[in-house]
Amino acid sequence: GQQLNQSPQSMFIQEGEDVSMNCTSSSIFNTWLWYKQDPGEGPVLLIALYKAGELTSNGRLTAQFGITRKDSFLNISASIPSDVGIYFCAGQGMTTDSWGKFQFGAGTQVVVTP
Amino acid sequence: ETGVTQSPTHLIKTRGQQVTLRCSSQSGHNTVSWYQQALGQGPQFIFQYYREEENGRGNFPPRFSGLQFPNYSSELNVNALELDDSALYLCASSLGRVNTGELFFGEGSRLTVL
Repeated sequence: GQQLNQSPQSMFIQEGEDVSMNCTSSSIFNTWLWYKQDPGEGPVLLIALYKAGELTSNGRLTAQFGITRKDSFLNISASIPSDVGIYFCAGQGMTTDSWGKFQFGAGTQVVVTP
Repeated sequence: ETGVTQSPTHLIKTRGQQVTLRCSSQSGHNTVSWYQQALGQGPQFIFQYYREEENGRGNFPPRFSGLQFPNYSSELNVNALELDDSALYLCASSLGRVNTGELFFGEGSRLTVL
C-alpha cells in the first residue's frame, strides 16, 4: 500500500541532542498527525496539525504542517532516554474519499544514548 | 491511556483458518478504523466504520470484513488466513465520519499465521 516518505529511517543520538525528522507526500493533505510507538504497544498521538504553515508544540516536541501541504516535520529538543521509540507521521488526503483513511510513513527509529 | 481496548492481545492461527478481533472504542467516539501493521512498517488502513456502516476501505481483499455494533464497538474478521496476514492489527477510534484528525489507537492484536 502507498506510504509516505519518512526520513531518516533511524537515528542514533546522544542524550541532550535535538532530533529532526520529516515526511513528504506526492499528494496534498488536510491533516498531519505524529505518533510515537513503543515495542508491543499501539501508536500514541503526539501532535495533530490541521492548517498549512501551522507550527504546534507539545512540551519538547514541535511539528509543522508544510506550506505546500505535502510535507511535515517533527523536532524533539534536548532528547532524553524515554524518547527512544519509533515515530510515525500520518496524513489524510483532501478529497472526500480520503477522509478517515490515514496514510502512514514507515517510521523513524530513535535511539538515545547516555 | 486512550481508552481503546482490543482483544485478544496475541493469537496464533494456521493458514486457511478464520479469525475475529475485537475493539471497544473510546467513550464518546462513534467511528472505528482498523489498520494492519506488518513488522517494520507503518500501519496500513483496512477500513473504517461509522454508525454501523463501512465508511471507506483500503486496498484489502474481501476476506477482510468488519462489523460495528450500536455501542460503537467493532470486530475485524479475516477469512482464509494467509501467512502474509501475520501482523499487528490496530483499532483506532475517532469522533465523526468526516475525520478532523486525532485517531486514538488501542494496544493492538498480534496475529501469527503458521
